Amino acid sequence: DAKTTQPNSMESNEEEPVHLPCNHSTISGTDYIHWYRQLPSQGPEYVIHGLTSNVNNRMASLAIAEDRKSSTLILHRATLRDAAVYYCILRDAYSGSARQLTFGSGTQLTVLP
Amino acid sequence: KAGVTQTPRYLIKTRGQQVTLSCSPISGHRSVSWYQQTPGQGLQFLFEYFSETQRNKGNFPGRFSGRQFSNSRSEMNVSTLELGDSALYLCASSLEHGGANYGYTFGSGTRLTVV
Repeated sequence: DAKTTQPNSMESNEEEPVHLPCNHSTISGTDYIHWYRQLPSQGPEYVIHGLTSNVNNRMASLAIAEDRKSSTLILHRATLRDAAVYYCILRDAYSGSARQLTFGSGTQLTVLP
Repeated sequence: KAGVTQTPRYLIKTRGQQVTLSCSPISGHRSVSWYQQTPGQGLQFLFEYFSETQRNKGNFPGRFSGRQFSNSRSEMNVSTLELGDSALYLCASSLEHGGANYGYTFGSGTRLTVV
């Protein structure tokens, strides 16, 4: 399965935008890029996913590089509630790996007041 | 609508005992997956059920088993508990089986402590 690389930790100031990077240089053409986050003492929460085009939803935006070897999760105005571990996960649409989420160690985002 | 419900939230068991955890998925979701989260290993996939059939299994010993009922509710069982089984067990449901174009909704988990 294609792997992802994320920074271990990042800091952001409250009410400022946050750009969380993810490298996936071995991504295949059928891999979807998914992002989840896990707040303290909670289960992971789905944030957003995409295949080739940039995606927006009420929580965040996903910017996908043209060669798809990297992507960036954008939180437009960080709040203290956004402090969490963020996971970037690839899911192949045509293999059994699509039936499970393979979590790496993720990025611990700290939001400073 | 109601989210994924896991019961109980907390559980303390003794080594050698067995335990059953329950998960009720979001209404209409037919795929249910289980994950184990520990500080050392992070989040690891246990198994996935769809329409009462186990479709995918992670790399866990046979002491870990599960099942899904006709109403999509799922249970997982761990027999002969070991100290290393202490973990947060998470259940996730999805509308689509195996579809990479869908997200999963997770419950808050069951915190199992084996003493």
